Amino acid sequence: GNSVTQMEGPVTLSEEAFLTINCTYTATGYPSLFWYVQYPGEGLQLLLKATKADDKGSNKGFEATYRKETTSFHLEKGSVQVSDSAVYFCALSEGRIQGAQKLVFGQGTRLTINP
Amino acid sequence: DVKVTQSSRYLVKRTGEKVFLECVQDMDHENMFWYRQDPGLGLRLIYFSYDVKMKEKGDIPEGYSVSREKKERFSLILESASTNQTSMYLCASRANYGYTFGSGTRLTVV
Repeated sequence: GNSVTQMEGPVTLSEEAFLTINCTYTATGYPSLFWYVQYPGEGLQLLLKATKADDKGSNKGFEATYRKETTSFHLEKGSVQVSDSAVYFCALSEGRIQGAQKLVFGQGTRLTINP
Repeated sequence: DVKVTQSSRYLVKRTGEKVFLECVQDMDHENMFWYRQDPGLGLRLIYFSYDVKMKEKGDIPEGYSVSREKKERFSLILESASTNQTSMYLCASRANYGYTFGSGTRLTVV
């Protein structure tokens, strides 16, 4: 079946450091790809998405490019802030029927940014 | 903004109890989902529903059932709670533009 693999955490960085969180996937067909973020005590929020190969999703300084040749969707940010501390989930959508599309998640990566 | 509301943030239940987790969305979405979140495992799909009274098993349905009598409400039922069902439970609804998640219910079974 379809699956998503993220780099293991936790990841700890200093403020203004460069961030990369790796994500690779296994899927049949052409899924959409997502990054979700979960701040402490909250549910998941969509951070960015890409729906086809070579698409770049971006939001709040974060970027990820849908790479079909390497089946990857790595999350990057040039200069992280303390407020970026959260758990990040990579996900893909699967399902043939429009209404029954489901999300398949990676295991999550906890990111801590120190001042 | 779409709201997905889970009735409880924290629950403590005893082994063998029947447990109901409630989820309500206010935007008339047809698709609703229940996931459980465990450290190192990410989110795993328990059940989902793409219409009233319609339900399908996800990846880990054992020990759970669901009810969707009205479009806005999707309930997750633990028939006989066990300690290995201690987890964070997240409800989500979906429209064409994407998914909206609730804040989660942290369930502890003792």
